[in-house]
Amino acid sequence: QKEVEQDPGPLSVPEGAIVSLNCTYSNSAFQYFMWYRQYSRKGPELLMYTYSSGNKEDGRFTAQVDKSSKYISLFIRDSQPSDSATYLCAMSAPENYGGSQGNLIFGKGTKLSVKP
Amino acid sequence: SAVISQKPSRDICQRGTSLTIQCQVDSQVTMMFWYRQQPGQSLTLIATANQGSEATYESGFVIDKFPISRPNLTFSTLTVSNMSPEDSSIYLCSSAGGGTQYFGPGTRLLVL
Repeated sequence: QKEVEQDPGPLSVPEGAIVSLNCTYSNSAFQYFMWYRQYSRKGPELLMYTYSSGNKEDGRFTAQVDKSSKYISLFIRDSQPSDSATYLCAMSAPENYGGSQGNLIFGKGTKLSVKP
Repeated sequence: SAVISQKPSRDICQRGTSLTIQCQVDSQVTMMFWYRQQPGQSLTLIATANQGSEATYESGFVIDKFPISRPNLTFSTLTVSNMSPEDSSIYLCSSAGGGTQYFGPGTRLLVL
């Protein structure tokens, strides 16, 4: 079993739809959870960063962590064509806080396409 | 967040040659990282580069193949040595900050 599982998609939705992106993980030591957005031919861009369980909202984006189920989600409301990108989840454990030891574990990424 | 640039943005190389990728950060950072992203795959950490010390390599990556320099707190290089087609990939550098990492735009490498 891989440490982090993420459905690669592709996921295609109409403009204005609510998008749900998810990752599951197996290491219960993970406590820091991140979502990156990667446009084609660009580097990953940090979207959301959460610690432990709970929700965090930033504009149209909501990150949700359920540690009991080892499941994290990213919701995008009122999706726009400009949201079309690959979304990568990433996580790390306290002994390598925030990637200070370099150990961010990434999912494979979900490719999202929002159609006008 | 840090702003990171990489050179070259892309290159096509012949097998057996070497390519050095440069990474520049707009602020001083303690730790920089080098990743490889192969098509359809996760980002894989190659090594962690601290200024003034040897880079720390992850399992499956060795210094002879991927020598790294870190001469100061804003700059690092990664060399891909004796390249083969299997080295064709995107190479990304990142820096740690605010509890997470920030990435450069990547270098797309194709080895023929």
